[in-house]
Amino acid sequence: GEDVEQSLFLSVREGDSSVINCTYTDSSSTYLYWYKQEPGAGLQLLTYIFSNMDMKQDQRLTVLLNKKDKHLSLRIADTQTGDSAIYFCAETDDGGSQGNLIFGKGTKLSVKP
Amino acid sequence: DTAVSQTPKYLVTQMGNDKSIKCEQNLGHDTMYWYKQDSKKFLKIMFSYNNKELIINETVPNRFSPKSPDKAHLNLHINSLELGDSAVYFCASSQDIRRLFFGSGTQLSVL
Repeated sequence: GEDVEQSLFLSVREGDSSVINCTYTDSSSTYLYWYKQEPGAGLQLLTYIFSNMDMKQDQRLTVLLNKKDKHLSLRIADTQTGDSAIYFCAETDDGGSQGNLIFGKGTKLSVKP
Repeated sequence: DTAVSQTPKYLVTQMGNDKSIKCEQNLGHDTMYWYKQDSKKFLKIMFSYNNKELIINETVPNRFSPKSPDKAHLNLHINSLELGDSAVYFCASSQDIRRLFFGSGTQLSVL
């Protein structure tokens, strides 16, 4: 079955870049996603990338997709304390036709001042 | 206005009880979902509901049942609660799979 793997923790200093990595198994996923969960809140979509793209940039966020290796990464430039949260990588289930997302276990990003 | 709202935010109950969690979305979305997040933050889909079509994750016990009185609501009813049901339950909605909107979660504690 589909599976999404991510490292569980990442700690950086304020102002540094953060890179969160993810590997997935379903090569038919049409889209891949990054969601952010702040303490006590639900998940919010940060960004997504279409599977035929290699890179997507949105302000401080850069998403890189290596489809051959099934590897997705999220880079946050100039990381701020407000970026401290859990970041979930996700892929679509059944090639996106069913409309379900498979989430990784989340990477907890801690930003030290 | 909150896009996806769920109540209650916290629910503490005894084993064996029956409880419900309510969810409402005001976004006009066609699809609603229930996700379960365990203590290790692992998030897993339980149900998706679209135009009266219910898709069930086969690992969900039949003690859990979603009920949708209309397109804007998808409630979760749980019978005979067990200790292992303790988790945070998230409702979500979407118009297409590219973006899910999540509620803020219901933390269920079964004692």
